Amino acid sequence: EVQLVESGGGLVQPGGSLRLSCAASGFTFSDHYMDWVRQAPGKGLEWVGRTRDKPNSYTTEYAASVKGRFTVSRDDSKNSLYLQMNRLRTEDTAVYYCAREGSVVAGGAFDLWGRGTLITVSS
Amino acid sequence: SYELTQPLSVSVALGQTARITCGGNNIGSKNVHWYQRKPGQAPVLVIYRDSHRPSGIPERFSGSNSGNTATLTISRAQAGDEAAYYCQVWDSSTVVFGGGTKLTVL
Repeated sequence: EVQLVESGGGLVQPGGSLRLSCAASGFTFSDHYMDWVRQAPGKGLEWVGRTRDKPNSYTTEYAASVKGRFTVSRDDSKNSLYLQMNRLRTEDTAVYYCAREGSVVAGGAFDLWGRGTLITVSS
Repeated sequence: SYELTQPLSVSVALGQTARITCGGNNIGSKNVHWYQRKPGQAPVLVIYRDSHRPSGIPERFSGSNSGNTATLTISRAQAGDEAAYYCQVWDSSTVVFGGGTKLTVL
């Protein structure tokens, strides 16, 4: 089955760190750029960041709100995507989704999403 | 930074046509993608590159994009279409989402 499954969510104090994982299956993970998207309670979708593929040197991009605090990485040998979150703030509280960028034909659309994992930043 | 504007809510009678707009400066020059988000479920891509439907998405879903407005059209609306809908574009290697529109089917 083609799917993405996130894990690693939970409660963390402000200023703390957390690492999310996303396990991919059913498709060739290494062929795709991969992204993280979040949704805070009562808010809309917000893009967090992305990692490109090996031919593009696994380069990354980030939203301004997380740049310098969050790091997106991947391990193609494990079909896994990661999000290292440092210096967490209360406003980082959200459900975090792993999302696959489709082929070039898809024009950068996210054609597969995980079910998400909840991060709560609170003292 | 680039911004996308969506109406907070749209209502449509069962079986009628719903239109959800997404406004942005010269959005017609960008590829617009649309997602459906039901409570407790992962978002689902319903339209990519302005007007293309992924496999498995009903023909009732269509899209257009011109000038400063992209539009998602849902024909013959069903109760199961009730959800939040988000438009999305890429701008300078970053992703921009619209604020989302809650579709209510009456």
